[in-house]
Amino acid sequence: SQQGEEDPQALSIQEGENATMNCSYKTSINNLQWYRQNSGRGLVHLILIRSNEREKHSGRLRVTLDTSKKSSSLLITASRAADTASYFCATSLTGGGNKLTFGTGTQLKVEL
Amino acid sequence: DTAVSQTPKYLVTQMGNDKSIKCEQNLGHDTMYWYKQDSKKFLKIMFSYNNKELIINETVPNRFSPKSPDKAHLNLHINSLELGDSAVYFCASSHTGNSGNTIYFGEGSWLTVV
Repeated sequence: SQQGEEDPQALSIQEGENATMNCSYKTSINNLQWYRQNSGRGLVHLILIRSNEREKHSGRLRVTLDTSKKSSSLLITASRAADTASYFCATSLTGGGNKLTFGTGTQLKVEL
Repeated sequence: DTAVSQTPKYLVTQMGNDKSIKCEQNLGHDTMYWYKQDSKKFLKIMFSYNNKELIINETVPNRFSPKSPDKAHLNLHINSLELGDSAVYFCASSHTGNSGNTIYFGEGSWLTVV
């Protein structure tokens, strides 16, 4: 089964609103990363949070990590139409070497 | 300049054919990958090479054979294509180190087997 499960599967909001996506995982991790995929394109790295970190910011992005609950959230503030994309969490497992395991993704649609 | 480039972008072929997808990265990374994304956008690693050596080989049929002539290239050859092979194949690369293994993806190769 998937290491990362994301919630919700799909999210539709109005421009200017905040979007929150959640990711749950099953086993111990070294770090957790979030990626964005625009339609018909490859994945682009957004942010990485290490297992000993609890929160990280990058521009309009805020990521939290709760290792006790094995979950992470990605918050996009003041969303724009250009944020419309699929968002994936990916985990680097403890002892997993350079392997990243991706979640199922959240499809975000930001409407004007 | 494209960091990870793969060709072709689109490929339509008949069942039973053999096809190859080429990948090159100009980032100086030591690790390269092939990922498969199905119609539900589920992304799964297939192979990983580090300095031309196979590191990860997930449960992939042996009809799929990766080849890494040097650490900047990782090509994927697929024999006897089946309908279920239709998917988007992503090449990717990363630098192994303490940075957390951020992966850089190519734009994908859309394979349709008819």
